[in-house]
Amino acid sequence: DSGVTQTPKHLITATGQRVTLRCSPRSGDLSVYWYQQSLDQGLQFLIQYYNGEERAKGNILERFSAQQFPDLHSELNLSSLELGDSALYFCASSVGQGATNEKLFFGSGTQLSVL
Amino acid sequence: LAKTTQPISMDSYEGQEVNITCSHNNIATNDYITWYQQFPSQGPRFIIQGYKTKVTNEVASLFIPADRKSSTLSLPRVSLSDTAVYYCLVGDGNDYKLSFGAGTTVTVRA
Repeated sequence: DSGVTQTPKHLITATGQRVTLRCSPRSGDLSVYWYQQSLDQGLQFLIQYYNGEERAKGNILERFSAQQFPDLHSELNLSSLELGDSALYFCASSVGQGATNEKLFFGSGTQLSVL
Repeated sequence: LAKTTQPISMDSYEGQEVNITCSHNNIATNDYITWYQQFPSQGPRFIIQGYKTKVTNEVASLFIPADRKSSTLSLPRVSLSDTAVYYCLVGDGNDYKLSFGAGTTVTVRA
């Protein structure tokens, strides 16, 4: 158990809909990262938050947004969903801002299926 | 722009040693080298991290030559449960989490 909690584990929805994925980081970790992993794809970095502020952004679509709340949990909002958004979405956390020697702890992911 | 290059796949048999080499020619002075393991439908898990020379833990060893332009993850006496994707990460400017790449799929056969 990594200590990172993601909910829900599975989500099935239709095209055009909006969903929210939730992540609770490990106790004491200040950074939260979101990754997308499509079938047979590597992990694609979406966005990082550190202590409530956006710190780094990857190839995150404009239809996607995220935030980190004062209690440090984070939510990833996906809107106007398309079939291609079907993927495993992982959240990870780390203790600091993301220095190269920091370890990432991953949650078990949310499997999103857009029908 | 990918910063690391590693083989797409490797096959092995139970009890053998598996060595995965990762190239990172543009590694910066303050970058660490970190390896993660991922099983299907699970999040990646930290295996080992190093800066130079050799690091060993209960799971693996990491060999880093003096020029640090490559590194080799060594998995001793693999078992079927070591079948997974292995990712090599190095720093990427300010933040190395940007690119996990495709990783190396290691398949261990009986």
